[in-house]
Order: sequence, then structure tokens, then C-alpha cells
Amino acid sequence: QKEVEQNSGPLSVPEGAIASLNCTYSDRVSQSFFWYRQYSGKSPELIMSIYSNGDKEDGRFTAQLNKASQYVSLLIRDSQPSDSATYLCAVNKGDTSGTYKYIFGTGTRLKVLA
Amino acid sequence: AAGVIQSPRHLIKEKRETATLKCYPIPRHDTVYWYQQGPGQDPQFLISFYEKMQSDKGSIPDRFSAQQFSDYHSELNMSSLELGDSALYFCASSFQGRYEQYFGPGTRLTVT
Repeated sequence: QKEVEQNSGPLSVPEGAIASLNCTYSDRVSQSFFWYRQYSGKSPELIMSIYSNGDKEDGRFTAQLNKASQYVSLLIRDSQPSDSATYLCAVNKGDTSGTYKYIFGTGTRLKVLA
Repeated sequence: AAGVIQSPRHLIKEKRETATLKCYPIPRHDTVYWYQQGPGQDPQFLISFYEKMQSDKGSIPDRFSAQQFSDYHSELNMSSLELGDSALYFCASSFQGRYEQYFGPGTRLTVT
């Protein structure tokens, strides 16, 4: 079992709808959580970071974190065809080295249908 | 805003050859991470550096080595290349104390 789990999809939503992407993690000491968008053959692009339980909103994006359930999600409102990409959930635990390597999920492929 | 720079963007090597990948972090970022992403896979952490010292090590083969220089750029050296090393190699940088990592455009390595 991977430390960070995502449904690989594809998740298909119509244009203008809300896309809901989910991620679970296994290590309770995980401290911070990130959503990246990755287009095919391109590098991951940071969309959201979240550290505390609850919701965090940035434009059309809302990240939700529930540490008790070890669950983090990303909502994309008013989905656009340009949002079609793979969304990677990344978790870091922090450690004594002072650096914070990411553990990635396998990503969820989102398709927004025009 | 300045981003992470990686060079070369594409590299084709034969088996058993060596390769050097370079990464120039965002100005004032002092931490560099290297990730390897195979086709259809998620990025896998290889190694990281903070203030020119190796700070963490992941699934990096012994054939690979890396270092960070005084100007904070980093190089990933890969020897005795194997077909399975063909992948996208990303460098990411961050500022110490901040959790967010910013990725470079990647180097696509093809081993034939």
C-alpha cells in the first residue's frame, strides 16, 4: 500500500461543473499537504498548500484537510477544459534533516468535457 | 518571476554511458530536491541538499551521485546508464523553513 493514495481516474466532468479530487495518506505524522497540476510531459505546478484542518480557498480552487481521517481533497469550481491534467497530491512529514521531501500519490487524471 | 532552470532539457545516451544534469534554483532558494518520474508514474524522491550539504536521500541508485555548489546550483551525475534510467528528472527548489517546492521544467533522459 502506498503512503499516499489517489484514484487514478480518469475523472470526467462537464465544463462548468465542480471537480472533486481526493487523497488519503497513511502516516499520521504528515505535516503539510500540497496539490500540483501536471500536464503531460511537463513539470508539476503548485496549485495549493494546506497545513491546518479545514478549508483553504484560492480562486476557483479549495483544498480541504481532515487530519483525523488522514484525508485531503481539492475542489475545482467552474471547471474549464484547460484544467484537464493530472493532479498530484504530495505530502511531507518533515524530519530532523530540516528538508521536506515529498511523497507523491500516483495522481488523478482529470478530463473536463467541453 | 524567475523559475528553476534545468539543463539540458533533453538528453540521449547509450547504455553504460554517463550523464550530468544541472539545476539552477530560484534565486535565494537554498534547498534543492531531485525527483525521477518514469512514464505514467509519480515523481520519486532521489536526493536533496541544503546549504551545499546532502540533507536527505531517497531511492537514488549507487550509480548516481549529486552535489550542490557554492552558488546553490546542483548537479546530478549518472554513471553506467541503464535502459531503466530513461525518465523525466525534475529538480525542485525551496527556501529553508518553507514547505513549498517549485519544480523546474525537467530533463528528459533517454537511454538507448
